[in-house]
Amino acid sequence: DTGVSQDPRHKITKRGQNVTFRCDPISEHNRLYWYRQTLGQGPEFLTYFQNEAQLEKSRLLSDRFSAERPKGSFSTLEIQRTEQGDSAMYLCASSSTTGAGANVLTFGAGSRLTVL
Amino acid sequence: LAKTTQPISMDSYEGQEVNITCSHNNIATNDYITWYQQFPSQGPRFIIQGYKTKVTNEVASLFIPADRKSSTLSLPRVSLSDTAVYYCLVGERGGGFKTIFGAGTRLFVKA
Repeated sequence: DTGVSQDPRHKITKRGQNVTFRCDPISEHNRLYWYRQTLGQGPEFLTYFQNEAQLEKSRLLSDRFSAERPKGSFSTLEIQRTEQGDSAMYLCASSSTTGAGANVLTFGAGSRLTVL
Repeated sequence: LAKTTQPISMDSYEGQEVNITCSHNNIATNDYITWYQQFPSQGPRFIIQGYKTKVTNEVASLFIPADRKSSTLSLPRVSLSDTAVYYCLVGERGGGFKTIFGAGTRLFVKA
């Protein structure tokens, strides 16, 4: 297993455009998380899935944000009508819920979004 | 959710031991203490977690006093590659989504 993969690594878009990020978690992990991180701050929780069910959403996740994990494997995070304030690093993480490593987050390298 | 307080930044030199202390006065009975490390342009990486007393792994040690209102991450003999941001999290074992990362401690290791 190569860890958590995120694509694209960098995305530059114009305000008002839609963007989509993809995350491929560690295959044995049943939980998948999305975080947002701005410069100088720690990651902020956005949402998480257990298998294909989206169980929690932060108030940070406005109506323009939608996340899916259709088959309980990869996930997508879409941002519609992007705004300059959406510029950030979007981090995906996964974890298992059993064993010694339960709930330990394994992060991907992130997808950096720049909205012009 | 328990809030944590840690120094914003610390400087050290190669070969020294570095201790980063985190305060968590409102830690709950079931909460664990978890530390993550983050390098620039990478996601955070799990370092160590503990519930009480002392935990040691190949990377670091974690010291937790009896009242559990603080904890200290100890990095032995740091190198330049240990320059990173270190986050202290209090909450669910492993630091799942219910925990808050905060701004972390920026450690600069100098030659």
